[in-house]
Amino acid sequence: EAGVTQFPSHSVIEKGQTVTLRCDPISGHDNLYWYRRVMGKEIKFLLHFVKESKQDESGMPNNRFLAERTGGTYSTLKVQPAELEDSGVYFCASSALTSGFYNEQFFGPGTRLTVL
Amino acid sequence: AQSVTQPDIHITVSEGASLELRCNYSYGATPYLFWYVQSPGQGLQLLLKYFSGDTLVQGIKGFEAEFKRSQSSFNLRKPSVHWSDAAEYFCAVGANAGKSTFGDGTTLTVKP
Repeated sequence: EAGVTQFPSHSVIEKGQTVTLRCDPISGHDNLYWYRRVMGKEIKFLLHFVKESKQDESGMPNNRFLAERTGGTYSTLKVQPAELEDSGVYFCASSALTSGFYNEQFFGPGTRLTVL
Repeated sequence: AQSVTQPDIHITVSEGASLELRCNYSYGATPYLFWYVQSPGQGLQLLLKYFSGDTLVQGIKGFEAEFKRSQSSFNLRKPSVHWSDAAEYFCAVGANAGKSTFGDGTTLTVKP
């Protein structure tokens, strides 16, 4: 079974441009999470989808970031317009939705975003 | 609010030597605790996790971690390090089906 996949693996854009990151979770996983690691610091939570609904978006830094999960399958994270401080590695994770049991988060390889 | 501290940014050990990576956490309830490893160009791989029960947890690749509630710690250990263990290690705390909070990471270098 395929793991969590992310596209692209790397993206280099100029300040002010728009970038869209994509995450394909493990098939059947209703939970989908976005995290990012900026400048070698800690990996920070951005938001959490349950199916197509945003369960928790408390980590979204500002309104330049827009996450969607239409149909409850793959998700996109758009940054518009990108700023220099948005550079970092963006991770996606997914987990099953089973009440009463721990549901491990499986992480993708990340997308490395560089804003020049 | 939950938080995680990894006091050591970088650790160097000789191959075959023992390893201990430190992790301290802050969490309002009984935490779920995790250790992840990230090798260059790879995603985060779960090494081990603690929910409840036995405070000594065994993981993959010969790693283990001990939960000490009194010290709010969850240190990762390995008795004999291999060169392939060189990577970055992250401690995390979280709730089931909720967000995880990560430490800053510890980079492990293994000397031949």
